[in-house]
Amino acid sequence: DVKVTQSSRYLVKRTGEKVFLECVQDMDHENMFWYRQDPGLGLRLIYFSYDVKMKEKGDIPEGYSVSREKKERFSLILESASTNQTSMYLCASSRLRSPLHFGNGTRLTVT
Amino acid sequence: DAKTTQPNSMESNEEEPVHLPCNHSTISGTDYIHWYRQLPSQGPEYVIHGLTSNVNNRMASLAIAEDRKSSTLILHRATLRDAAVYYCILRASLLIQGAQKLVFGQGTRLTINP
Repeated sequence: DVKVTQSSRYLVKRTGEKVFLECVQDMDHENMFWYRQDPGLGLRLIYFSYDVKMKEKGDIPEGYSVSREKKERFSLILESASTNQTSMYLCASSRLRSPLHFGNGTRLTVT
Repeated sequence: DAKTTQPNSMESNEEEPVHLPCNHSTISGTDYIHWYRQLPSQGPEYVIHGLTSNVNNRMASLAIAEDRKSSTLILHRATLRDAAVYYCILRASLLIQGAQKLVFGQGTRLTINP
């Protein structure tokens, strides 16, 4: 079974802190994705990557950056966390043309 | 991105079939129809996908209209564990990197009554 592991289930950070959300997949997938999910807004794509060191902006990239130094790991970085980045963050991976496999999410609270 | 339209919510009874509709009138010839569901406190999980023909797997069936402008996800015998938000999504089959992303709508919240 494909496993997508997000490093933390719950995270509390202070405004202005630099935050790293880590995601690791164990199936050698080319594609990796970061979404955030908010009530009433559904899942929105922040960034995705289709290869090591490659990244593409999604629909809401502002305030975020990503890093993909190794194929299995995709990191989401909040350079200076703000309260409007309090959300559930979901990582996913897939092969080309294949279904996405999601992690169970990181609930981030910025105070 | 081609859009889909789903009812906000549906309700059904345990052990009865459930038909979840999805409209996608602007679908292009290369778009696959994907269904995902999200159980409480979990990330979305893949259910089924198809292009033109009806599809069956162990979780559900997918019925696709002949003109491909709508589809229906069928749960043959709902259980309480099927209570979830169900998303109908179009995904391009083209090998263009940006085409690999999925755009989620609001989905249909399915409630199963015991």
